[in-house]
Amino acid sequence: QQQVKQSPQSLIVQKGGIPIINCAYENTAFDYFPWYQQFPGKGPALLIAIRPDVSEKKEGRFTISFNKSAKQFSLHIMDSQPGDSATYFCAATQRNTGGFKTIFGAGTRLFVKA
Amino acid sequence: SQTIHQWPATLVQPVGSPLSLECTVEGTSNPNLYWYRQAAGRGLQLLFYSVGIGQISSEVPQNLSASRPQDRQFILSSKKLLLSDSGFYLCAWGLRGGPYTGELFFGEGSRLTVL
Repeated sequence: QQQVKQSPQSLIVQKGGIPIINCAYENTAFDYFPWYQQFPGKGPALLIAIRPDVSEKKEGRFTISFNKSAKQFSLHIMDSQPGDSATYFCAATQRNTGGFKTIFGAGTRLFVKA
Repeated sequence: SQTIHQWPATLVQPVGSPLSLECTVEGTSNPNLYWYRQAAGRGLQLLFYSVGIGQISSEVPQNLSASRPQDRQFILSSKKLLLSDSGFYLCAWGLRGGPYTGELFFGEGSRLTVL
């Protein structure tokens, strides 16, 4: 299966810190790069997403940086809060006949200390 | 508004028993439908996706199968469960047609434990 590699596996930061999660992909056919946030026992929910023609996107405290030539992208969480403690998944999406297919990274478990 | 329902939420089954997980979507037509599995502490593995009734694409050869008998219904099945089938199963839908967003909307998940 096409891969999306995500690191680190887990991350602990103090409140107010800036956790950074990194992802890399291989398939240049991917054309949409979302980040999903998942709380325990729940399904993931879309947090923020970027298309490959843009190098950066900000939504509130969340920023995606995208490097098309390196095939890498990352999530930065500014002024992190305990409520941000969750598992974060990067993903890459490719259109196909009639729809699209999304491949996920392995996830990063973030814990923000109060 | 659109909603997605999965059931059962929790299931404990013996090895060798059959499985049926069901997912339905409300408030949208012709959605793309997906089954993902999340093993403990691991990422989301795409198992099946469907772009229409009766159209199933399998991503990983395994002990499971999927069916889409109606436009907004997606079923995950197994004839004989293995221990390795344990996990958190997530159904998701994506908008088909219209502007391409690539966004997936997930259900609450079904936690399967095979003993």
